[in-house]
Amino acid sequence: AQSVTQLDSQVPVFEEAPVELRCNYSSSVSVYLFWYVQYPNQGLQLLLKYLSGSTLVKSINGFEAEFNKSQTSFHLRKPSVHISDTAEYFCAVTRRWGLIFGQGTELSVKP
Amino acid sequence: DTEVTQTPKHLVMGMTNKKSLKCEQHMGHRAMYWYKQKAKKPPELMFVYSYEKLSINESVPSRFSPECPNSSLLNLHLHALQPEDSALYLCASSQAREGQPQHFGDGTRLSIL
Repeated sequence: AQSVTQLDSQVPVFEEAPVELRCNYSSSVSVYLFWYVQYPNQGLQLLLKYLSGSTLVKSINGFEAEFNKSQTSFHLRKPSVHISDTAEYFCAVTRRWGLIFGQGTELSVKP
Repeated sequence: DTEVTQTPKHLVMGMTNKKSLKCEQHMGHRAMYWYKQKAKKPPELMFVYSYEKLSINESVPSRFSPECPNSSLLNLHLHALQPEDSALYLCASSQAREGQPQHFGDGTRLSIL
């Protein structure tokens, strides 16, 4: 069975500081991994995806994540966060149909 | 701007009412999904449609009835709901191949009185 564990439920950080949101997965088959972001009162927006190929994937707004098969991890990083990055972040793995989400990490960026 | 449109954005209904949630996408996706999200929790898969046919029903109570009238539309019919059904209901779509990312609407926030 597949599962996702997000190791931190809340991450407070000051503006312009670096941040890492941790995600570990469990799967007995090939994995496809995603990071989604959810702003208050909105749906989920796809931030990053790992399907195959390069293990380092990057988004247009400065986030990146690295797929590490040996450590079964897909941590999300950003070298310098902005107030507007405050949101809930979900790591997810896909099975044949549908997504299995981690419990989410609330990123709170303070001035 | 979201490419998956859900209506209504908010819905308040009594336990004896019948209502429907609607979802529309024009990305040519042939897989569509309903998720339920409670406050401070991740979304949970309810139903999956592939090529307008129901592929997965995650043991959802029969008071929730999905319908996919065509490749662009997905409905969720509600009847005799319970207070614990109050949640954010999210629709998503994707290409009908394994591993494809899903695109979500902004959801319908449902409150059961």
